[in-house]
Amino acid sequence: EVQLVESGGDFVQPGGSLRLSCATSGFPFTEYEMNWVRQAPGQGLEWVLNISSSGTSMNSADSVKGRFTISRDNAQKSLYLHMNNLRGEDTAIYYCTRSSLMAGGVFDVWGQGTMVTVSS
Amino acid sequence: EIVMTQSPATLSASPGEGVTLSCRASQSVYSNLAWYQQKPGQAPRLLIYGASMRATGIPARFSGSGSGTEFTLTISSLQSEDSAIYYCQQYSSWRRFGQGTKVEI
Repeated sequence: EVQLVESGGDFVQPGGSLRLSCATSGFPFTEYEMNWVRQAPGQGLEWVLNISSSGTSMNSADSVKGRFTISRDNAQKSLYLHMNNLRGEDTAIYYCTRSSLMAGGVFDVWGQGTMVTVSS
Repeated sequence: EIVMTQSPATLSASPGEGVTLSCRASQSVYSNLAWYQQKPGQAPRLLIYGASMRATGIPARFSGSGSGTEFTLTISSLQSEDSAIYYCQQYSSWRRFGQGTKVEI
């Protein structure tokens, strides 16, 4: 069974840092581009960052550029989100997602999400 | 930046009815359009990609159509478990979602 399991969500003060993790199983992790997608409370979905299967290419949304980075450990089949200089508007559920091999840019598998709250 | 606009914001229908949800792109996204279903307290689930291709395991009552800037998701014969928010997403130029349509049954 294909699984994505996020962890690391927490309550953090503005300006703080946090690292989210996503443990994967059930598919050849090294073949897939991976992403983080977030959802603020009661709001819609926002793609945040992605990383190529090899880990050599990353892209990010303007809203997090310069503050968030993405990385992966292919040996551990894990994805990470490194969040710095956090702001209140970063409060959201963060989902780890897999990009479809059939259509790049389509998120065919989602984790259950981990909640990040930024507040003083 | 491509903006995705969904309509209506909320739709109410009865079991067995058919409904159509709309998604409009501010510029052409060709057929690079996906639909997702999100039930309360759950992660989104992929329904449709390539504007009209059903994802694995998605019931045939869900169908997508359109290309360019105008797209629709049709749910024929609504079932109670179809109550959810439905999001469209373009992947022609980066990835951007619409604001969602809530379907109440």
